[in-house]
Amino acid sequence: DTGVSQNPRHKITKRGQNVTFRCDPISEHNRLYWYRQTLGQGPEFLTYFQNEAQLEKSRLLSDRFSAERPKGSFSTLEIQRTEQGDSAMYLCASSLGGSSYNSPLHFGNGTRLTVT
Amino acid sequence: QQQVKQSPQSLIVQKGGISIINCAYENTAFDYFPWYQQFPGKGPALLIAIRPDVSEKKEGRFTISFNKSAKQFSLHIMDSQPGDSATYFCAASDGTRKLIFGQGTELSVKP
Repeated sequence: DTGVSQNPRHKITKRGQNVTFRCDPISEHNRLYWYRQTLGQGPEFLTYFQNEAQLEKSRLLSDRFSAERPKGSFSTLEIQRTEQGDSAMYLCASSLGGSSYNSPLHFGNGTRLTVT
Repeated sequence: QQQVKQSPQSLIVQKGGISIINCAYENTAFDYFPWYQQFPGKGPALLIAIRPDVSEKKEGRFTISFNKSAKQFSLHIMDSQPGDSATYFCAASDGTRKLIFGQGTELSVKP
């Protein structure tokens, strides 16, 4: 069990540029989640996948954000035309199917985005 | 509104003392209440979790107390150690599996 892997760990970009983050979940986990965490706050839900299907998107996920999980394995989160308000830690988590109690979320160490 | 309110925002405890963090929720549909621990530069890691059909769960030095009628739950860390210094988040979810997190408590355990 190598855990949830996220790349890159840090990304600095200029306002208006596009960025893409990658998440590799724990191999047998079929559910994958993206969260955003700003300094001093708890993680906020963005979206989640069951296998390759995107089942829910938060209202926080504006049209500039898109997430994919093309083969039900790794996932990418793209932010187009970045804004300074997008600066945050982007966290990926994965879990097995079944109840939350029996298959909890395992988080990666995140990608910290800084938009200058 | 689906919210989880956490207090205090920060907590300083002496080594060997008891750390207590409280959370309150509004949505009675929540059926899963985990606590996560986060160290700087790391993602949150599950510490302990409880379902609403029990009032207390203990794992080692960590205990969750749950009061369904008051819609409150708390984390108690017994014999707090400097290595417990971290940020703690309570969370809740309903059948959607989406976790709603509290605002976090920064715990500092002084030697």
